[in-house]
Amino acid sequence: AQSVAQPEDQVNVAEGNPLTVKCTYSVSGNPYLFWYVQYPNRGLQFLLKYITGDNLVKGSYGFEAEFNKSQTSFHLKKPSALVSDSALYFCAVRDGSSNTGKLIFGQGTTLQVKP
Amino acid sequence: DTAVSQTPKYLVTQMGNDKSIKCEQNLGHDTMYWYKQDSKKFLKIMFSYNNKELIINETVPNRFSPKSPDKAHLNLHINSLELGDSAVYFCASSPGMVAFFGQGTRLTVV
Repeated sequence: AQSVAQPEDQVNVAEGNPLTVKCTYSVSGNPYLFWYVQYPNRGLQFLLKYITGDNLVKGSYGFEAEFNKSQTSFHLKKPSALVSDSALYFCAVRDGSSNTGKLIFGQGTTLQVKP
Repeated sequence: DTAVSQTPKYLVTQMGNDKSIKCEQNLGHDTMYWYKQDSKKFLKIMFSYNNKELIINETVPNRFSPKSPDKAHLNLHINSLELGDSAVYFCASSPGMVAFFGQGTRLTVV
């Protein structure tokens, strides 16, 4: 069964410092991995995806993620955090057992960036 | 120019009532979804339609019934609402890989 784990409920970082939000996955077959962000009282916004190719994927708002097959991880990173990055971040994997496009989400990590 | 729009944004209703949430996408996508986000922010898929055909029906009480009159619309009807149905419901659409989400409907059952 496909699954995604985000081991940290909350990540705190000072503005200007680098940030990392962790994600590990378990899939059968090739992993299709995604990061979404949810701002308060808003829907989910797509940040970036890994389908194939380079292990370092660049996305919106200066975010990037590194796919590591041996560690089954897909951590989200940003070199310099902004206060406006404070939000709830979800890692997701596309269900590869069917062709439905169903996303399986991690439990979410709240990112708090302090000035 | 909203891509995926849901109405209403907020819905407060009494137990036992029947309510509907509407979703429309103007992106031309073939596939649409309903996800539920519970009080702990956990997101789980409920239903998916592809070109008006139901392709995902997770373990959801049969009080929940999706309806897709055309591929741009996927509505969610809920009968006999219960307190535990209180959640945020997200509609999404996808052309293939990436899903685009609506702003959500916060349903509160009192």
